[in-house]
Amino acid sequence: NAGVMQNPRHLVRRRGQEARLRCSPMKGHSHVYWYRQLPEEGLKFMVYLQKENIIDESGMPKERFSAEFPKEGPSILRIQQVVRGDSAAYFCASSPADRVYEQYFGPGTRLTVT
Amino acid sequence: DAKTTQPPSMDCAEGRAANLPCNHSTISGNEYVYWYRQIHSQGPQYIIHGLKNNETNEMASLIITEDRKSSTLILPHATLRDTAVYYCALDSNSGYALNFGKGTSLLVTP
Repeated sequence: NAGVMQNPRHLVRRRGQEARLRCSPMKGHSHVYWYRQLPEEGLKFMVYLQKENIIDESGMPKERFSAEFPKEGPSILRIQQVVRGDSAAYFCASSPADRVYEQYFGPGTRLTVT
Repeated sequence: DAKTTQPPSMDCAEGRAANLPCNHSTISGNEYVYWYRQIHSQGPQYIIHGLKNNETNEMASLIITEDRKSSTLILPHATLRDTAVYYCALDSNSGYALNFGKGTSLLVTP
């Protein structure tokens, strides 16, 4: 049973470009969570999604960031017009529907904005 | 949101118990305490969680003080493979929105 998959593992973008980060949950998991880890900091919750629904986006910056989890395909975290402060590791996690506390994390995408 | 505070680093001899503390003095009534660990370049791995009672599973034990302002993760017989960064996290009363502290880097030595 494959774990949570994230790609790309490393992404370099120039200021002003768009970054698209992908996450495929574990088989059988319908709940996806995105977290951001700034340098020397712990992970911080960004958004919680189920298929075709955003359940809680209270941790997402109000501008430039969006997330989706379509009926088919991976969950996407999209950052428009990236700035240097967006450089971080972005982790995706998934959980079974009945155990949202039991989150399985992917290996992360390390975004560098130059 | 309540914050967690952990010592930045600890050492433990292989085979001994590793006791990792976490302070969460501003925790609110229904916030659960979670412990995860992260090995370099990998995503965090779930270890254990609890509300107010002590918990034990095959990986570790979690001791939460009666006032819930602090907790301790216990690895009963540390091995070299337990070398990792250990994070204490709270869930903002949501059950899912975890916010991690800066973690404790545990080094298990032979």
